[in-house]
Amino acid sequence: NAGVTQTPKFRVLKTGQSMTLLCAQDMNHEYMYWYRQDPGMGLRLIHYSVGEGTTAKGEVPDGYNVSRLKKQNFLLGLESAAPSQTSVYFCASRRTPTGTQYFGPGTRLLVL
Amino acid sequence: SQQGEEDPQALSIQEGENATMNCSYKTSINNLQWYRQNSGRGLVHLILIRSNEREKHSGRLRVTLDTSKKSSSLLITASRAADTASYFCATDAEETALIFGKGTTLSVSS
Repeated sequence: NAGVTQTPKFRVLKTGQSMTLLCAQDMNHEYMYWYRQDPGMGLRLIHYSVGEGTTAKGEVPDGYNVSRLKKQNFLLGLESAAPSQTSVYFCASRRTPTGTQYFGPGTRLLVL
Repeated sequence: SQQGEEDPQALSIQEGENATMNCSYKTSINNLQWYRQNSGRGLVHLILIRSNEREKHSGRLRVTLDTSKKSSSLLITASRAADTASYFCATDAEETALIFGKGTTLSVSS
């Protein structure tokens, strides 16, 4: 099993550009999450999904959209990137609502 | 907002010493988890302790939970250089997603 994978690993964007981050898991997990990690801030929840076709806002959702069309994939979109969105983005998944979360390796995003 | 707060923010010790990190949280929880993050990597789950448990062990790790004080501690015994990493506590308060603290950065020198 690959676990949780993220694509791409690193990306540079110009302000105003758009992009989509892909998260895929092969563990048949219902619950999937997107976090961002900034220096000194720990991990902050952007959006999450409790099952295929569902999404919900987390702590810092502004400027991001998500979709969960397939159970194994959770997409994070930036419609118009801003320098404040420079961060490391982590995807995670878990089987139950209170169990262990499994993390992907992260995507480093730099917005110029 | 962050639920957990780790203390200290940074900890430097010698190999063979014990490392203790603390976590305080604000609201009632279902369970509390500890994760490790090596530099530039994703988070790896270490241990989960449920709200009705007081202590749990896993190898060189010992976790305690005091729900009356809303606090937890992670003890790593006989630290090794490979334990150098950031350690995060995370809580499940609303059964939606784990809420993470800002982490403790542990440096173990040989």
